[in-house]
Amino acid sequence: ETGVTQSPTHLIKTRGQQVTLRCSSQSGHNTVSWYQQALGQGPQFIFQYYREEENGRGNFPPRFSGLQFPNYSSELNVNALELDDSALYLCASSLAPLAEETQYFGPGTRLLVL
Amino acid sequence: GIQVEQSPPDLILQEGANSTLRCNFSDSVNNLQWFHQNPWGQLINLFYIPSGTKQNGRLSATTVATERYSLLYISSSQTTDSGVYFCAVEDSGTYKYIFGTGTRLKVLA
Repeated sequence: ETGVTQSPTHLIKTRGQQVTLRCSSQSGHNTVSWYQQALGQGPQFIFQYYREEENGRGNFPPRFSGLQFPNYSSELNVNALELDDSALYLCASSLAPLAEETQYFGPGTRLLVL
Repeated sequence: GIQVEQSPPDLILQEGANSTLRCNFSDSVNNLQWFHQNPWGQLINLFYIPSGTKQNGRLSATTVATERYSLLYISSSQTTDSGVYFCAVEDSGTYKYIFGTGTRLKVLA
């Protein structure tokens, strides 16, 4: 059984650019959640996708957008990057969009915006 | 929105010592989880514990939902226990988990 994978592992961008981060969910999982973790902070919920539809969103502006594909893998897109977008981006997959379901996290993508 | 506070913020232990980590939350919650983030950033789910007590090896957790707190106990700590421990509570009915700021644990050999 393959765990949750994310790509790339590290990324450097400049302010104003756009970035796409990718996540492959664990086999059999149809729900993917994305989190942003700034240095020294806890993860903050960005949004969740369930069966290719957005299923909940945190307090992030519209320039943060996502997709989920028929194989349940997911992308996080961030437009017009700002310096404060520098963070570790985590995705987590689960069997269902239920709060009691265990979330399995990927290793994260470290984004640095200069 | 719901606030999640964890204490202590930092903890240094000698290998073999026991510790208690606390999580306070500002409103009633239906769902609560504890996570461990290792020094390389990997986040691992430890417990789903909206109420009651659970044990898994050297770790156990207790949530008293009516008093709005949860405790994580680590016994006979090992260097591999080092990292950051987070509790996270569900923002009621939203599927959105609110994470605390964490307790950073360092276990010395």
